[in-house]
Amino acid sequence: NAGVTQTPKFRVLKTGQSMTLLCAQDMNHEYMYWYRQDPGMGLRLIHYSVGEGTTAKGEVPDGYNVSRLKKQNFLLGLESAAPSQTSVYFCASRPRTGLYEQYFGPGTRLTVT
Amino acid sequence: KNEVEQSPQNLTAQEGEFITINCSYSVGISALHWLQQHPGGGIVSLFMLSSGKKKHGRLIATINIQEKHSSLHITASHPRDSAVYICAVQETSGSRLTFGEGTQLTVNP
Repeated sequence: NAGVTQTPKFRVLKTGQSMTLLCAQDMNHEYMYWYRQDPGMGLRLIHYSVGEGTTAKGEVPDGYNVSRLKKQNFLLGLESAAPSQTSVYFCASRPRTGLYEQYFGPGTRLTVT
Repeated sequence: KNEVEQSPQNLTAQEGEFITINCSYSVGISALHWLQQHPGGGIVSLFMLSSGKKKHGRLIATINIQEKHSSLHITASHPRDSAVYICAVQETSGSRLTFGEGTQLTVNP
């Protein structure tokens, strides 16, 4: 099993450009999450999904959109990137509600100039 | 005030020392997670606790639900333990984690 994978690993965007980050998991997990990690701050939840076809806003959703068309994939979109979106983005998944660990992807380092 | 507070923010130790990292939280929880992040690396789960104590190798995690406090201990620390240790709480409402800012641990040989 590959676990949780993220594509791409690194990206540099210019302000106003758009991109999509892909998260894939092969563990048949119901729940998937997108976080951002910034220096001096804890991981912050952007959006999450509790099942195929469902999404919900997290703590910092503005400027991002998500889709969960297939159970194994969770896409994070930036429609018009801003320098404030420079961050490391982590995807995570877990089996379902209840007492389960979260499994994290390796992260995507995004720089917006 | 953050819902999850970790202390210290930074910790430097000599190889072999006993290390304690603390986590306090202010909300009702169903579980507390300890995570490890190596420099430039991904995040891995070390422990998930809902009560008592868990041990894995040289790592021990404890939680006191009444006091809303958890500790992560590392015995006989080693330079490879150098990493950021993150505390996260799973609120009783269920599906989300709230994270502390992390503790940067450096263990010198």
